[in-house]
Amino acid sequence: AQSVTQLDSQVPVFEEAPVELRCNYSSSVSVYLFWYVQYPNQGLQLLLKYLSGSTLVKGINGFEAEFNKSQTSFHLRKPSVHISDTAEYFCAVSRAGTASKLTFGTGTRLQVTL
Amino acid sequence: KAGVTQTPRYLIKTRGQQVTLSCSPISGHRSVSWYQQTPGQGLQFLFEYFSETQRNKGNFPGRFSGRQFSNSRSEMNVSTLELGDSALYLCASESTGNSYEQYFGPGTRLTVT
Repeated sequence: AQSVTQLDSQVPVFEEAPVELRCNYSSSVSVYLFWYVQYPNQGLQLLLKYLSGSTLVKGINGFEAEFNKSQTSFHLRKPSVHISDTAEYFCAVSRAGTASKLTFGTGTRLQVTL
Repeated sequence: KAGVTQTPRYLIKTRGQQVTLSCSPISGHRSVSWYQQTPGQGLQFLFEYFSETQRNKGNFPGRFSGRQFSNSRSEMNVSTLELGDSALYLCASESTGNSYEQYFGPGTRLTVT
């Protein structure tokens, strides 16, 4: 079984500042890792995924994440946030070979202010 | 290409009743998964269907069931509703091949009173 820990429930940040949302996972088997964003009253949108290969993955809307196997982490970063990035962000893991049966973290609320 | 659609978007039911939620995946997608999202438990996997067969199942009681039709549309049913079943139910579809990307619908907000 897999588990995901998102260390921060809320992250306040000023517009144009950099941000990092932290995610750690636990698994006894190889995994795929994902970051999703959820805007109010909407479903989840995939930001980026790590399957294998390069540990730095780039996603949509200027987000990127780095897979660190030794620290079992997959932190999400953006060098300069915008007001429109205000949303809930979820880290998720699946067993390698499938994207279904995702295990999600509890989410991080990113609040961007002027 | 149209996205994943879920109907209805909002639903209010009484404890003890049953409910059926519907999900239409993106055209060509054959895998459909269902998730429950609540403030207390977060996002939890319910089950996945592929080619009309349940391929994976989460840890939910037997009151939660689902099915998939030959056109890949899926329904989930919850019988004998409890107050704790109030949640946002999300459906996701995935294409065949090696994209490993799930596309989520907007969800059905179920309120049990």
